[in-house]
Amino acid sequence: EDQVTQSPEALRLQEGESSSLNCSYTVSGLRGLFWYRQDPGKGPEFLFTLYSAGEEKEKERLKATLTKKESFLHITAPKPEDSATYLCAARSNDYKLSFGAGTTVTVRA
Amino acid sequence: DAGVTQSPTHLIKTRGQQVTLRCSPKSGHDTVSWYQQALGQGPQFIFQYYEEEERQRGNFPDRFSGHQFPNYSSELNVNALLLGDSALYLCASSFGTGRDTQYFGPGTRLTVL
Repeated sequence: EDQVTQSPEALRLQEGESSSLNCSYTVSGLRGLFWYRQDPGKGPEFLFTLYSAGEEKEKERLKATLTKKESFLHITAPKPEDSATYLCAARSNDYKLSFGAGTTVTVRA
Repeated sequence: DAGVTQSPTHLIKTRGQQVTLRCSPKSGHDTVSWYQQALGQGPQFIFQYYEEEERQRGNFPDRFSGHQFPNYSSELNVNALLLGDSALYLCASSFGTGRDTQYFGPGTRLTVL
């Protein structure tokens, strides 16, 4: 069964304090690893798609990387507006998306 | 360019009732997927519609059913509501059944009393 695990569950950062979020996945034939941002009570907002080990993508203070078993979302010099829940999802060879439970990031000014 | 829209925003029902949720996909998209997100959890895949047919289904009972219309919009129906059906229901649209990125709507918050 496809499984996606995110850690930590929650992360409290001081503004400017860089950190990383982890996403471990076990899926049948990875067809894409996705990162989304979700604000409370809203739908997930697409951030990145990674397809192969070694691939990296960046957007502002966020950088996503992929290995054969994990993906990392690095947040560099975060600001309070980066506070959100970050969801990781893996797409298997039957093209179904399996989500992790998310990491809730709080950035204090 | 309008993104994915869902209605209603919030809904309160009682156990045993039936509910219908609606979704309009992003312009240019032809595939709609539905997810259930319980509080503190990630979204769980319910099913996907393409060309007006259910193409894939997650581990949800037959009480959950859907429909896709010729204009690609979609409905999610849940019969015989249980307290455990209380959740945020998310619709995501994409182009094609698999390879494209899914873009999510704002969700419908369903509360079952």
